[in-house]
Amino acid sequence: DGGITQSPKYLFRKEGQNVTLSCEQNLNHDAMYWYRQDPGQGLRLIYYSQIVNDFQKGDIAEGYSVSREKKESFPLTVTSAQKNPTAFYLCASSIDLGAFEQYFGPGTRLTVT
Amino acid sequence: QKEVEQNSGPLSVPEGAIASLNCTYSDRGSQSFFWYRQYSGKSPELIMFIYSNGDKEDGRFTAQLNKASQYVSLLIRDSQPSDSATYLCAVTWEAGTALIFGKGTTLSVSS
Repeated sequence: DGGITQSPKYLFRKEGQNVTLSCEQNLNHDAMYWYRQDPGQGLRLIYYSQIVNDFQKGDIAEGYSVSREKKESFPLTVTSAQKNPTAFYLCASSIDLGAFEQYFGPGTRLTVT
Repeated sequence: QKEVEQNSGPLSVPEGAIASLNCTYSDRGSQSFFWYRQYSGKSPELIMFIYSNGDKEDGRFTAQLNKASQYVSLLIRDSQPSDSATYLCAVTWEAGTALIFGKGTTLSVSS
């Protein structure tokens, strides 16, 4: 089955620790994205990538980092510099960047205490 | 600053009624428009997309786009309790950029 996987589904960390969220897709999509969603809020773009070894900051990139070493993978690291990291994190992909529908993974719910 | 606006709701309709969800956007140069449905605690799933002015129908769903007035709407006919969810509108303005999402409208369909 083609799709996007994110792991883990739930993640708990202590304040001050970096944490990496996994995102893998086997849809052969070029573009991948990371969003953050807070309760009652829409999706806010953290980072996006159009091709391997290239990525761009979104609206709320501070305190986050990404890599795109393989087409299929786009991991997100939430660093200790992110002031309010507790949120629902969603990874998405599309055929290409721009006017194409995005497909989402199941999400990772991160709780930092 | 490009923005996508949606009424947060909740929009409450009885089972079998038509639900009308609206979305406005800030810039006329927009290209593509998407509607996603998100159940509580789940990830968004694509319902429909529309590129041209007019209506596009898919089953019980109809997307309506009016670029001159800068709005896009989603009609759900014969609403069912299973349609109760948050509906997200997303817009892209130009090639090579990511979608911009509205905050979503919560729909509640009562049986």
